[in-house]
Amino acid sequence: NAGVMQNPRHLVRRRGQEARLRCSPMKGHSHVYWYRQLPEEGLKFMVYLQKENIIDESGMPKERFSAEFPKEGPSILRIQQVVRGDSAAYFCASSRDYQETQYFGPGTRLLVL
Amino acid sequence: KNEVEQSPQNLTAQEGEFITINCSYSVGISALHWLQQHPGGGIVSLFMLSSGKKKHGRLIATINIQEKHSSLHITASHPRDSAVYICAVGLGGGSEKLVFGKGTKLTVNP
Repeated sequence: NAGVMQNPRHLVRRRGQEARLRCSPMKGHSHVYWYRQLPEEGLKFMVYLQKENIIDESGMPKERFSAEFPKEGPSILRIQQVVRGDSAAYFCASSRDYQETQYFGPGTRLLVL
Repeated sequence: KNEVEQSPQNLTAQEGEFITINCSYSVGISALHWLQQHPGGGIVSLFMLSSGKKKHGRLIATINIQEKHSSLHITASHPRDSAVYICAVGLGGGSEKLVFGKGTKLTVNP
């Protein structure tokens, strides 16, 4: 059973470009969480999704950031018009059900030049 | 004040020592998680607990709900235990988002 997959593992973008981060949860998991780890800072919650639904997006910046988890395919975290402050590691986690153990992916390291 | 506080921030030990990392939280929680982040950045879930004590190999996690406190113990520490250990709490209430402590960086010397 493959673990949580994230791609790309590293992403370089110039200011103003778009970044798309993908997360494939573990097989049988329908709950996905996105977290961000800024350099030298702790992890922060961004968004919690179930298939086709956003359950909690209280940690998402109001502008430029969006997330989806379609019926088919991976969850996508999209950052439009990236700025240098978006440079961070973005981790996805998945769980089989609500209030169960979350399994983390390897992360995507985003660098904005 | 952070909702989740960990101590110590940094910890250096000699191989074989018994290690304790502490976590205190100030909010109501559905569960507490202990995570391990290796130098390469990958994150592994070690424990999820809402009461009592759990043990896995050389790792033991305890939680005291009344005191809002948890401890992670490592027995017979080894250099391969060197990592950042992160305490996180699930807030429940319809969203199992995690709120994280800042982590404890553990270095175990041979």
